[in-house]
Amino acid sequence: DIHMTQSPSSLSASVGDRVTITCRASQSIDRYLNWYQQKPGKAPKLLIYAASNVQRGVPSRFSGSGSGTDFTLTISSLQPEDFATYSCQQSYTTLYTFGQGTKVEIK
Amino acid sequence: EGQLVESGGGLVQPGKSLRLSCEASGFNFDDYAMHWVRQPPGKGLEWVSRIVWNSESVGYADSVQGRFTISRDNAKSTLYLHMDRLTDADTALYYCAKSNNAYNRGAFDVWGQGTMVIVSS
Repeated sequence: DIHMTQSPSSLSASVGDRVTITCRASQSIDRYLNWYQQKPGKAPKLLIYAASNVQRGVPSRFSGSGSGTDFTLTISSLQPEDFATYSCQQSYTTLYTFGQGTKVEIK
Repeated sequence: EGQLVESGGGLVQPGKSLRLSCEASGFNFDDYAMHWVRQPPGKGLEWVSRIVWNSESVGYADSVQGRFTISRDNAKSTLYLHMDRLTDADTALYYCAKSNNAYNRGAFDVWGQGTMVIVSS
């Protein structure tokens, strides 16, 4: 199975900060990497698919990059509504493993 | 964009069975693969199972292989998850999710609100 590791597990940031979350796969997954945002009590929401494609309706401050084993999610200017947990997911194999999540909190 | 509504969760004793349903609307259900994802209380997301558009291929996480069965009824736009021999490790909020393609390697672009399964004596 492919193991996905996110870092950091949590971070504190202020409104307006640039935030970067990384995700590393235990083996190459090409660009089959997706990012989700989840707020407390809500279902996950797709932000980025295939490493760098922004899902329709997602603000342009969200971007993704990477290929192979190393990927990043960047929020260019953190907004109040962005405080949430972010999870990466590989879809390279048919065992669609998720990372453990990164909680973005208010500093 | 579409909507997914799960049902069938509840309190069940260890070793018993339960069937979850997920009713889809707002999109052509039989054009897309579908998935189940679960989230234990306070923990991260765990992918559980997948089924391609025509049911010809299914897959399961190691943790549920041999105990859970995924199926779909395209005429009813409904996805199912039959769960046997439940253990307390299966306690979680179960989401159904739509893939953005018909087969594999897709992302999950529509999610339901989840249905809670609690396994306890």
